[in-house]
Amino acid sequence: QLVLTQSPSASASLGASVKLTCTLSSGHSSYAIAWHKQQPEKGPRYLMKVNSDGTHIKGDGIPDRFSGSSSGAERYLTISSLQSEDEADYYCQTWGTGPRVFGGGTKLTVL
Amino acid sequence: EVQLVESGGGLVQPGESLRLSCAGSGFTFSSYEMNWVRQAPGKGLEWVSYISSSGSSIYYADSVKGRFTISRDNAKNSLYLQMNSLRAEDTAVYYCTRDQSYWGQGTLVTVSS
Repeated sequence: QLVLTQSPSASASLGASVKLTCTLSSGHSSYAIAWHKQQPEKGPRYLMKVNSDGTHIKGDGIPDRFSGSSSGAERYLTISSLQSEDEADYYCQTWGTGPRVFGGGTKLTVL
Repeated sequence: EVQLVESGGGLVQPGESLRLSCAGSGFTFSSYEMNWVRQAPGKGLEWVSYISSSGSSIYYADSVKGRFTISRDNAKNSLYLQMNSLRAEDTAVYYCTRDQSYWGQGTLVTVSS
C-alpha cells in the first residue's frame, strides 16, 4: 500500500536551514513526490516535484531558498535562510496508477 | 496564468446532495488530469478523486466511493464533483487541483443538521 510518512512537527531559527523528510512506503522507493506549502488560513501552494534521482522541478515563483533531494525511499525539502513566512504546514504527495496519497504534513515553526 | 475557481459549496443537511464545479483557465484544460482534494477543519489534506485528461480513468478515495462522482466537460473547461448522501464527516474545504501543480482557492462544504 502506497503510504507517505512525515514527522508531525519541526522547528528551526530565523535565518537557519531546515530539512523536512517524506518517506515512501516499502516497494515504492522509485516514486516521485510533490511538496506543498500551506500557510495559516490559506490554501495550499505547490512548491516542487522531487524525483527519485534527486532532481526537482519547482513551481512558478518559488524562491531559490527552497530545494529538493532524495535518498532511497526518502524525499527531502530543504529551506535555507528561514524567514517568518516559511512558518507553515508542509505536505508531500505522491501518485501512481490509482489513488493519490498525501502525507500527514509537517508543521514548521520558525523560532 | 493558470487559474482554478471552485464554486458550489454551502450548508446542507446530512443525506442531501451538492454539486461542486471548478472552472479552469490559462491552460489547455483538456490536456491535464484533475483532482479534488479536501481538508476538514483543523486536519490535513485528503485526496478525494482523480480524473484523467480524457475522462477515461477515474479513481476515488475509499471514504467517498459510491457516494461521489467526478466528471469533466473539456468543452467548458470545467471539472465537477457530484456529492450524494453527504455526511457530517464530509465537512471540509474542497479544492480542485491541476495534476499536482496548481490549486484552486477552495470552496467550503458544511454538512450539518
